[in-house]
Amino acid sequence: SQKIEQNSEALNIQEGKTATLTCNYTNYSPAYLQWYRQDPGRGPVFLLLIRENEKEKRKERLKVTFDTTLKQSLFHITASQPADSATYLCALESAGNKLTFGGGTRVLVKP
Amino acid sequence: NAGVTQTPKFRVLKTGQSMTLLCAQDMNHEYMYWYRQDPGMGLRLIHYSVGEGTTAKGEVPDGYNVSRLKKQNFLLGLESAAPSQTSVYFCASRDPGDYGYTFGSGTRLTVV
Repeated sequence: SQKIEQNSEALNIQEGKTATLTCNYTNYSPAYLQWYRQDPGRGPVFLLLIRENEKEKRKERLKVTFDTTLKQSLFHITASQPADSATYLCALESAGNKLTFGGGTRVLVKP
Repeated sequence: NAGVTQTPKFRVLKTGQSMTLLCAQDMNHEYMYWYRQDPGMGLRLIHYSVGEGTTAKGEVPDGYNVSRLKKQNFLLGLESAAPSQTSVYFCASRDPGDYGYTFGSGTRLTVV
């Protein structure tokens, strides 16, 4: 069956350091992968999309890599700030225009 | 403000009661989705629609019905609520040419 796995343990990181989150998937052949941010009590907010033929994508302090051989995406937050504290979700689109989400990883940036 | 609006934001139901959750988007998006989010389970797709008048089942459709009579609205109905339907429900929309989904702020439903 199809699976999207993210580290369920919270990531605690010091302000200014780089946070790295992992998304692994099985039984998918995605054309692209998406990352979302979710704050408590709010809906997810779209951050970045990376296509299968792209190795890396950047947006401000965010960087995403996509390795279709390893079936893995890495999400980096460089120069992290306390305002980056949130849960980050990885998502893949399957046939029929349906987005499937991983369980998310909570990031806590300490000043 | 442009976006996805969900009503109500909170609701408590008794087992067996029915209710309808409303999702409205003003971005003229073609596709709309209903998800539920539970601790340890992540977001799971209930039903979705790829256009006015169309609906399709997602991963966890049992106990729910939906309707998309107008392009901007997507309704989620619970005919006979059960405690297992206690959850936070999110609506989302997007256009075929775009990829990022726009989500509403959620409806927190408790069934007692």
